[in-house]
Amino acid sequence: DGGITQSPKYLFRKEGQNVTLSCEQNLNHDAMYWYRQDPGQGLRLIYYSQIVNDFQKGDIAEGYSVSREKKESFPLTVTSAQKNPTAFYLCASRDRGLRGAGELFFGEGSRLTVL
Amino acid sequence: DAKTTQPPSMDCAEGRAANLPCNHSTISGNEYVYWYRQIHSQGPQYIIHGLKNNETNEMASLIITEDRKSSTLILPHATLRDTAVYYCIVRLLLMDSSYKLIFGSGTRLLVRP
Repeated sequence: DGGITQSPKYLFRKEGQNVTLSCEQNLNHDAMYWYRQDPGQGLRLIYYSQIVNDFQKGDIAEGYSVSREKKESFPLTVTSAQKNPTAFYLCASRDRGLRGAGELFFGEGSRLTVL
Repeated sequence: DAKTTQPPSMDCAEGRAANLPCNHSTISGNEYVYWYRQIHSQGPQYIIHGLKNNETNEMASLIITEDRKSSTLILPHATLRDTAVYYCIVRLLLMDSSYKLIFGSGTRLLVRP
């Protein structure tokens, strides 16, 4: 079945360590997104990519980095520079060709806890 | 970018219609209204979207006022599985065909047995 797979589902990290969250999609979507969600709040955009080898900062990009070397993959690295990394991270993709439509498809999320 | 205002929580009885309001008074002409819902600790799920006209699909109906400053999501026969946080989102389509979704805090809908 087509969809978006995020891994790991749960991750614990010590302060000062970088960690990379995986996001893979087999929907053949061009656009991919990373969001962060804190308890009781909505989603905030970290980074997005419209096409391979290109990505743009969202509203809260500081302390994060991404790459888009393949169409199906958009990994997010949470660096030690991110002050409050404990959060629920959601990856999404969209069919960029559907102008005026094209809903986001979300993965099941990765919950990162910094100890 | 337009933003949305939703009540923080609502409840309705199982089998009845759930009407979730959303205010987007600063919406501009090319901004769509999208609705997503999120069941606890899962990824959000797309429900429906619209620009000017009312829309209906197998999940819900979307009623947009003529001035487009507010909308209502209607779940015609709510079930217990509809208990979730519902997000009303304004989507701005950018020149490079990318777009930006602005999520608020949503409405927590509780469907009572």
